Amino acid sequence: KAGVTQTPRYLIKTRGQQVTLSCSPISGHRSVSWYQQTPGQGLQFLFEYFSETQRNKGNFPGRFSGRQFSNSRSEMNVSTLELGDSALYLCASSSSPGQGGGDTQYFGPGTRLTVL
Amino acid sequence: GENVEQHPSTLSVQEGDSAVIKCTYSDSASNYFPWYKQELGKGPQLIIDIRSNVGEKKDQRIAVTLNKTAKHFSLHITETQPEDSAVYFCAANGNPGTASKLTFGTGTRLQVTL
Repeated sequence: KAGVTQTPRYLIKTRGQQVTLSCSPISGHRSVSWYQQTPGQGLQFLFEYFSETQRNKGNFPGRFSGRQFSNSRSEMNVSTLELGDSALYLCASSSSPGQGGGDTQYFGPGTRLTVL
Repeated sequence: GENVEQHPSTLSVQEGDSAVIKCTYSDSASNYFPWYKQELGKGPQLIIDIRSNVGEKKDQRIAVTLNKTAKHFSLHITETQPEDSAVYFCAANGNPGTASKLTFGTGTRLQVTL
């Protein structure tokens, strides 16, 4: 099975612009989560989508948004980019919400976003 | 919310030695604890996970132990090899009942020297 794929792998934007990142989960996986990774803050949860609905949300401002399509592919959008948004954005997929203990999340390679 | 602390931040061992990384978590409701390995330029790769209904799990050279009472869990790597060199992250689920909304530790950079 192919793993989680993310496009693009690298992106350079300027302050004030907006950006859309894409994630294709492992075939058959219905849950997609997004994380931000920075040297200063580490790995932080952004949000999770399951069956086209946002199921969980982290503590990020409203400039960060996402959506999921009927084929489980997901996109995240960041509007009005700030320098501090420079980070590796990681997508993870899992097959379905676990019962009583969890379902494994598999990560993609990430999209490296640089804001100038 | 959940808070996960991880120690040490860097660890250097000689090839063949064992490595131990420790994590503590704050939310007693957390019930899923994965460990990820991240190599340069790649996303985190799951190496082992443990659920709260077991105290220990082993997979070849890798083992994880969980102490629910103390809210500690640890990663043990035996017979380390140069390819084990990477950054390791522990995590706990912030939404009990699913593996989603993971809270990660700050990472341990493991270096295995010849």
